[in-house]
Amino acid sequence: EVQLAQSGAEVKKPGESLKISCKTSGYSFTTYWIGWVRQMPGKGLEWMGIIYPGDSDARYRPSFQGQITFSVDKSTNTAYLQWSSLKASDTAMYYCARQGFGEYHFDYWGQGALVTVSS
Amino acid sequence: QSVLTQPPSASGTPGQRVTISCSGSSSNIGSNSVNWYQQLPGTAPKLLVYSNNQRPSGVPDRFSGSKSGTSASLAISGLQSEDEADYYCAAWDNSLNGRYVFGTGTKVTVL
Repeated sequence: EVQLAQSGAEVKKPGESLKISCKTSGYSFTTYWIGWVRQMPGKGLEWMGIIYPGDSDARYRPSFQGQITFSVDKSTNTAYLQWSSLKASDTAMYYCARQGFGEYHFDYWGQGALVTVSS
Repeated sequence: QSVLTQPPSASGTPGQRVTISCSGSSSNIGSNSVNWYQQLPGTAPKLLVYSNNQRPSGVPDRFSGSKSGTSASLAISGLQSEDEADYYCAAWDNSLNGRYVFGTGTKVTVL
């Protein structure tokens, strides 16, 4: 069974760094792209970008470029999303999702990780 | 802001048919397939329809998708109370070095 299990909720202060995780199981981690989707409070879904665990090729939405970093650990089948300096506007729910093989849709999703940034 | 436009809300009584529209452009829906996601309250999105009209295993055939030109639609027939959720269309957009775009979302209410 394909599963994506995300790390828990985080409360951080502006300027702090953060790395959230998405641990996958039930499929070949290195052969499917993993995407990250942001959902700000009360708002819709926003694609942040994708990473290919096989070679760590990452594509970022232009508005997120330079603000976030995707990474993977092939030894633990885990994908990561990190910030070096959080802002209050980063407060949101973040979802990881597996991209369908050879397709653009996301067929399996993590449960989400709530990130709250407040002074 | 999203480049795929959906009506903010739709509603129907149990058993009715509800249709949700999704309007895009030549760089997204016009040249790529459309996907639909259902987000129940307080939960992660779930893939409902992919490649315009394909349903993943386990999705009831009450849900059907279609596409024509630069628009798409999702139909829910035999509406049930558990269908009350937010629905998002999505497609790859070829502009700006490529990106995946979601629609603005439609809240479906079962009256």
